[in-house]
Amino acid sequence: DSGVTQTPKHLITATGQRVTLRCSPRSGDLSVYWYQQSLDQGLQFLIHYYNGEERAKGNILERFSAQQFPDLHSELNLSSLELGDSALYFCASSMRQGSTGELFFGEGSRLTVL
Amino acid sequence: QKEVEQDPGPLSVPEGAIVSLNCTYSNSAFQYFMWYRQYSRKGPELLMYTYSSGNKEDGRFTAQVDKSSKYISLFIRDSQPSDSATYLCAMIGAGGTSYGKLTFGQGTILTVHP
Repeated sequence: DSGVTQTPKHLITATGQRVTLRCSPRSGDLSVYWYQQSLDQGLQFLIHYYNGEERAKGNILERFSAQQFPDLHSELNLSSLELGDSALYFCASSMRQGSTGELFFGEGSRLTVL
Repeated sequence: QKEVEQDPGPLSVPEGAIVSLNCTYSNSAFQYFMWYRQYSRKGPELLMYTYSSGNKEDGRFTAQVDKSSKYISLFIRDSQPSDSATYLCAMIGAGGTSYGKLTFGQGTILTVHP
């Protein structure tokens, strides 16, 4: 158990809908990262927050947004969903502001868009 | 062209074999190199971590980094069925555009059969 909690574990929804994925980092970790994992693209970095502030952006679509709250939990919002958004979405956390690569991953949220 | 290239396999070996997993990369700013292991339906977990060039050994696992060739390897000695998983190489820079963005390879699916 990494100590990172993600909900929901599974989500099935329709195209055009909006969903919110939630992540609670390990106790004491200030950084939260979101990654998308699909069969053809592998693990793709989406966004990084440190102590409530956005620190780095990756290949995150404009339809997607995220935030980190004062209690350090984070939410990833996916809107106007398309079939291609079906993937595993992972949250990871670390203590540091700048990542040296040691991340603790949750078990992921599996999103299926029909 | 992807920044990190990794042969997805799948790779199937008998128990007790020596396994060699490799990644190449193109971004010379990468300075921290990692191997993550991901079991089916789980999040990735950090297996090995190295900084810059050189070797690091941990039990049956040895990680090698050759920055001059932009090539990293993971060796697994006396492989066990419990080693069956997807192995992802990952790397990150210490500054510039790579800062905060951990870049993963595609992952190699390894099966160790009894």
